[in-house]
Amino acid sequence: GNSVTQMEGPVTLSEEAFLTINCTYTATGYPSLFWYVQYPGEGLQLLLKATKADDKGSNKGFEATYRKETTSFHLEKGSVQVSDSAVYFCALNNQGGKLIFGQGTELSVKP
Amino acid sequence: DAGVTQSPTHLIKTRGQQVTLRCSPKSGHDTVSWYQQALGQGPQFIFQYYEEEERQRGNFPDRFSGHQFPNYSSELNVNALLLGDSALYLCASSIFSGGTSTDTQYFGPGTRLTVL
Repeated sequence: GNSVTQMEGPVTLSEEAFLTINCTYTATGYPSLFWYVQYPGEGLQLLLKATKADDKGSNKGFEATYRKETTSFHLEKGSVQVSDSAVYFCALNNQGGKLIFGQGTELSVKP
Repeated sequence: DAGVTQSPTHLIKTRGQQVTLRCSPKSGHDTVSWYQQALGQGPQFIFQYYEEEERQRGNFPDRFSGHQFPNYSSELNVNALLLGDSALYLCASSIFSGGTSTDTQYFGPGTRLTVL
């Protein structure tokens, strides 16, 4: 079946540090991959997406590359800010309908 | 451009009661999906509506039902509430692309349901 696994949190970084949040997936066929971010008390915001192998999604300084050979879609940012503190969810869409989410990774950035 | 809106924001019910949650999709979107997010977990897919019909359903009991209206807005109904139904209920809208995997879903702020 389809599934998504993310690195466990919480991840605590200092401002301007480099961020990596690992995400791997299991799926048949050719899913699309997404990163969503959830700020405290809010819904999910689409951060970036990639729809085919070797695509790189990017937004607001965040990047992730769709690696079919390693079934991964790791999220990276070169220099995090306090305002990036949130929970990040990796997700896949393989059936045109439902999104399948990882368990989420909480990021805390300290000044 | 209005995004996805949901109402109410918060709701408190007691076991056995019934609840209706509402969602208006983003302008131009025709498909609505519902998700349940328990505390500290990732969202779980409940079902998706397109052309006023349930198109796909996740692993949720029949107590969870829905409806989509001609203006594409949607309702989620939950009967015989259990304590375990306490969660954040998220609505997401998208543009139907023939069932491909490229559909991008945009989420509303959610409805926080507490069952006592």
